[in-house]
Amino acid sequence: NAGVTQTPKFRVLKTGQSMTLLCAQDMNHEYMYWYRQDPGMGLRLIHYSVGEGTTAKGEVPDGYNVSRLKKQNFLLGLESAAPSQTSVYFCASSQFGGASETQYFGPGTRLLVL
Amino acid sequence: GQQLNQSPQSMFIQEGEDVSMNCTSSSIFNTWLWYKQEPGEGPVLLIALYKAGELTSNGRLTAQFGITRKDSFLNISASIPSDVGIYFCAGQVQGAQKLVFGQGTRLTINP
Repeated sequence: NAGVTQTPKFRVLKTGQSMTLLCAQDMNHEYMYWYRQDPGMGLRLIHYSVGEGTTAKGEVPDGYNVSRLKKQNFLLGLESAAPSQTSVYFCASSQFGGASETQYFGPGTRLLVL
Repeated sequence: GQQLNQSPQSMFIQEGEDVSMNCTSSSIFNTWLWYKQEPGEGPVLLIALYKAGELTSNGRLTAQFGITRKDSFLNISASIPSDVGIYFCAGQVQGAQKLVFGQGTRLTINP
């Protein structure tokens, strides 16, 4: 039981390049989330999903797209990376929504956009 | 959007000292959570609070849900080196499916 895993752990992109971050969970959780973490700003929600085939916008969705084709996977895409997207990205999952459901976080993906 | 103000932003203490940090919000929350993040890892839930006035402990950690429902406090007693990390508060407005996170408190302990 690996919990929540993220791939890759670290990536460097040039401005304008695209990439996809993969999040996988093996806990059969319904809800999955993508956050970004920047110094002094805590965690901000990018997009989330309440179940397979569904996605919804969070607090800072611009410049990102997501897909949840399989229940266990939640992909975060950057179509044209910008330096402002340099950040640490965390994926999380929970059995259901609401704060009474513990969100389990992955180890993070550190992205540097030059 | 909703904002959480967490203070202090950083703390430098001696091993064995007690620690206090807090979060305040402009909105009423029905749930408060406290997470800890260690270097290179994702946040891990420490304590969850669901009722105004609730006081909950987890070992040397104690957290309280403020009576006004707009604030929460986390105390760590007799700090040890493994307490080092960033502590985040998070809250949820009733009916919302999303959490709002504070900016974090970075705790450094001198042995």
